[in-house]
Amino acid sequence: AQRVTQPEKLLSVFKGAPVELKCNYSYSGSPELFWYVQYSRQRLQLLLRHISRESIKGFTADLNKGETSFHLKKPFAQEEDSAMYYCALSPSNTGKLIFGQGTTLQVKP
Amino acid sequence: DSGVTQTPKHLITATGQRVTLRCSPRSGDLSVYWYQQSLDQGLQFLIQYYNGEERAKGNILERFSAQQFPDLHSELNLSSLELGDSALYFCASSVGLGNYEQYFGPGTRLTVT
Repeated sequence: AQRVTQPEKLLSVFKGAPVELKCNYSYSGSPELFWYVQYSRQRLQLLLRHISRESIKGFTADLNKGETSFHLKKPFAQEEDSAMYYCALSPSNTGKLIFGQGTTLQVKP
Repeated sequence: DSGVTQTPKHLITATGQRVTLRCSPRSGDLSVYWYQQSLDQGLQFLIQYYNGEERAKGNILERFSAQQFPDLHSELNLSSLELGDSALYFCASSVGLGNYEQYFGPGTRLTVT
């Protein structure tokens, strides 16, 4: 079965604290993993994808095939990082996205 | 606005009715995706079209159908509506087939009473 699990519905941290949003996936082939973000009153948008290996807005994510995880990390959270974060999987270059339930990140001043 | 547009923004209708949701992709994008977001199921992939042809199907009910027209806009038709169909319906577009970045529309909020 193809599934994405984000175990935390809400993650609340103080500004300047490290952040780790967890994502685990279930897929037997070679998936492509993404993180999408939705800021308040904005559209869902791509944050980063594992093949690009980029750091976007200070966020990074490493694909760990052994642990089937793709956790999103940032060393120092900023208030503007407060948003809903979705981990998503695309099976075998199909384009369709299988989303996790999402995690709301709340960064307190 | 050259981004993905969806109409209407909100739709309130009764059980048993039929509605049509419309999506216009970004200029130049050939792929259109439909997703349903509900409180209990989260964001679920429904169906994908590429250049007028259906390319992938997800958890789409038989009461639902979609199509992509020659001008590349897409419509999602929902019939025999039930209370459980109340949800936010998103359209997204991408430049081609495969794992290109998907650009999402603002969504259509459907309320079935």
